[in-house]
Amino acid sequence: DQQVKQNSPSLSVQEGRISILNCDYTNSMFDYFLWYKKYPAEGPTFLISISSIKDKNEDGRFTVFLNKSAKHLSLHIVPSQPGDSAVYFCAASELGGGNKLTFGTGTQLKVEL
Amino acid sequence: DTGVSQDPRHKITKRGQNVTFRCDPISEHNRLYWYRQTLGQGPEFLTYFQNEAQLEKSRLLSDRFSAERPKGSFSTLEIQRTEQGDSAMYLCASSPLAGASYNEQFFGPGTRLTVL
Repeated sequence: DQQVKQNSPSLSVQEGRISILNCDYTNSMFDYFLWYKKYPAEGPTFLISISSIKDKNEDGRFTVFLNKSAKHLSLHIVPSQPGDSAVYFCAASELGGGNKLTFGTGTQLKVEL
Repeated sequence: DTGVSQDPRHKITKRGQNVTFRCDPISEHNRLYWYRQTLGQGPEFLTYFQNEAQLEKSRLLSDRFSAERPKGSFSTLEIQRTEQGDSAMYLCASSPLAGASYNEQFFGPGTRLTVL
């Protein structure tokens, strides 16, 4: 069963506009959430994270929002830049689970000029 | 460069052969993880070590797979009697036990395995 779901396999956005990537989860034991960015032929690169005790975390152009009651999180990128074009993975870990990550299937973001 | 490194980057083998991959984590990181990623999927957890102790193995890790981290530094992942279904990207990650980056994992570039 897919405990972390990214239902949009792809997203296309114009440069300068906002990109919103969504993620849903089913496991109530998840208490920490991360977003990773992946370019072809490279490993995932950590982008931003959020603890379950918060509902928002911001780092420069990137903001992650967490809605625990809906088991939903989203990543906002504003303004979007062509270099942001990559696959974005949502991941989650459980308290006491050794921090092993459960990943979603990814969303391919394309930022067009 | 003090990031996570993996060797080899690519491996092509014939079905039935054994293969071994190596991962060198960031030097001060106590935890080391192995993941597998197939096309169109996110990385899937295989196993993790805290120092030299293997603390958890996924049900994905069949008895043909074995991982070691003998001195708590680098790790190896061996696949015996490879099958075509083993074709995937094998990713290694590491993280510290404490500090600001405690919950983050830093990934290597991966080893792409192709079983013919």
